[in-house]
Order: sequence, then C-alpha cells, then structure tokens
Amino acid sequence: KNEVEQSPQNLTAQEGEFITINCSYSVGISALHWLQQHPGGGIVSLFMLSSGKKKHGRLIATINIQEKHSSLHITASHPRDSAVYICAVLPGGGADGLTFGKGTHLIIQP
Amino acid sequence: GAVVSQHPSRVICKSGTSVKIECRSLDFQATTMFWYRQFPKKSLMLMATSNEGSKATYEQGVEKDKFLINHASLTLSTLTVTSAHPEDSSFYICSARGRRAEQFFGPGTRLTVL
Repeated sequence: KNEVEQSPQNLTAQEGEFITINCSYSVGISALHWLQQHPGGGIVSLFMLSSGKKKHGRLIATINIQEKHSSLHITASHPRDSAVYICAVLPGGGADGLTFGKGTHLIIQP
Repeated sequence: GAVVSQHPSRVICKSGTSVKIECRSLDFQATTMFWYRQFPKKSLMLMATSNEGSKATYEQGVEKDKFLINHASLTLSTLTVTSAHPEDSSFYICSARGRRAEQFFGPGTRLTVL
C-alpha cells in the first residue's frame, strides 16, 4: 500500500508570500491529485498530474515521477487561500480509490 | 469541472436508526464511485469502491453489512449507515470517476449520531 507523506503539516505565512507544500509517496502511481478542503469540509480538486507541471491562476503543481515527489506552490498568497491542502495518489491501473496524505493546514495572515 | 452532489449535507440521528446518503454525478456518467470517511483532524480513508450494476468492494476493516452501498445507475450511488452508533459520527465524502482517471468530489455529509 502506498504511503503518502506531506510536509509541512502546518504552515502559517503572511499575505503575499510564496508557499510550497510537498508530497512524497512510496509506490509508483498513475496519477496524483492536489485537493483543497475548506473548514466546512467540502473538497475541491485543484490538479490531477501524471507528469510535469500544471498551472492554474496562482497555483502551480509539479511532479517528479522518478523521485516520487510532487509540490504545490501558491504565488502571491492571500487569506482566502487558507485551507487544508491534501495530496492523494492513484495507484497504477487506476482501479482503486485514492490514498491520501494527512494534509497541510495553511493559514495566510493579512 | 464536473459536478458531484451529496445529500444531505448534514444529518443528526438517534442511535440505532439508519441513515442514507446519496451521491450524484450531475453532468457525467460515473462508472465508478468511491466512498470515503474522514475523522476529525485525520486523513480521508477509502471505505469502498462501487461500480455501476455490481457489488461494492469494501476496504479491509469496513463492515459491509453496516455500510450498505448501492450503485444503481451511472449517476447515483447511495451509502446507508445501518443501526448507526455514536462512533459512526464522521464526515462522509463520495467521489465519482468517469471514463478518465480524474475523480470529482462531492461536498460531503456530516453525520452526527446521538
């Protein structure tokens, strides 16, 4: 079973700072998701990656398949970015559900 | 992106009653739906995988007779928590997958069993 480790677990930063959240996994995957969970609990899928890099607005996600590592970056962070960011991996073959990291609790202070 | 809805968003019930949670894919056909559970300040855990028209596959440690899953159509899966107890109180989230590998998440259902 895949082990998914995220770092840091908690991160507090000032508005405008560049944020990086890391995710490492132990077994080869077919895809990796970055998810955002707000205090109410609802989850939004930010990115699904299988290689390279994706960008959406101020969010950038990268993945290195060889190193089994992915990063989520937030540029020009804003208090509304405060949320839990979760890395989740999909096993090879795509038949099973996701395995989740424990999440990174991000707080952006004005 | 695609939309997945869950109903109800919150439910409070008495111990011993059964609760049904619906998960619907609104604008695509979901060949596979997943049910997850999240305890406070914990990671999500996969409970079961359901494919339309077949029995659900449960993860180890998840009681299939307690958590009944029905995936009757390509747009609807239901999770029924039978004879609920306080320890079943949790946040339940479904996700749906179409032909591609991307999963779309429902907003979740917070269950509180008194």
